[in-house]
Amino acid sequence: ELKVEQNPLFLSMQEGKNYTIYCNYSTTSDRLYWYRQDPGKSLESLFVLLSNGAVKQEGRLMASLDTKARLSTLHITAAVHDLSATYFCAVAKGASGTYKYIFGTGTRLKVLA
Amino acid sequence: EPEVTQTPSHQVTQMGQEVILRCVPISNHLYFYWYRQILGQKVEFLVSFYNNEISEKSEIFDDQFSVERPDGSNFTLKIRSTKLEDSAMYFCASSEGQGYDQPQHFGDGTRLSIL
Repeated sequence: ELKVEQNPLFLSMQEGKNYTIYCNYSTTSDRLYWYRQDPGKSLESLFVLLSNGAVKQEGRLMASLDTKARLSTLHITAAVHDLSATYFCAVAKGASGTYKYIFGTGTRLKVLA
Repeated sequence: EPEVTQTPSHQVTQMGQEVILRCVPISNHLYFYWYRQILGQKVEFLVSFYNNEISEKSEIFDDQFSVERPDGSNFTLKIRSTKLEDSAMYFCASSEGQGYDQPQHFGDGTRLSIL
């Protein structure tokens, strides 16, 4: 059974600081996605990582994928309050076009002014 | 930008009653999904649907659950006899084509409260 774990579960950080969220998964996959969720809202796609060594950056967020280590990271640079949200990684599993997502436990990020 | 729409946004139902959650996927998408998220927990896969049939379902998706695409635009999730533990946020998602380079797009969700 594919398991996806994130750490930390909660992260409180000061504005301007850097931090990394980790996503570990238990079986081979080269398809990993990062989503953002604001309280009571839907899941907003942030990054699609499809190969070993993939790195994507958008603003203050950068995501990477190491399929050999079964690890993805979401790095936050110089955090701002607007980044406060819950971040989920999801690993795709399946075949023939329908890929279900197995979500991580989520990391609730709070950026303090 | 095209989006997945879900109705209602909030549904309150008595235990044992039937409920239907509705979704309109993005128009050119061919693959459809339902997920649920119990308050404060992670998002869990329920079912995937393609070519008018279920592709895969989780162990959560028991005989009380069913999905349907009654016309060319709607995709519904029915819970036949609701239980207290069905209370959750239900998300519909859709994706296009057979490639996985495009992420699944999620709707805003329906908050289901069972009394």
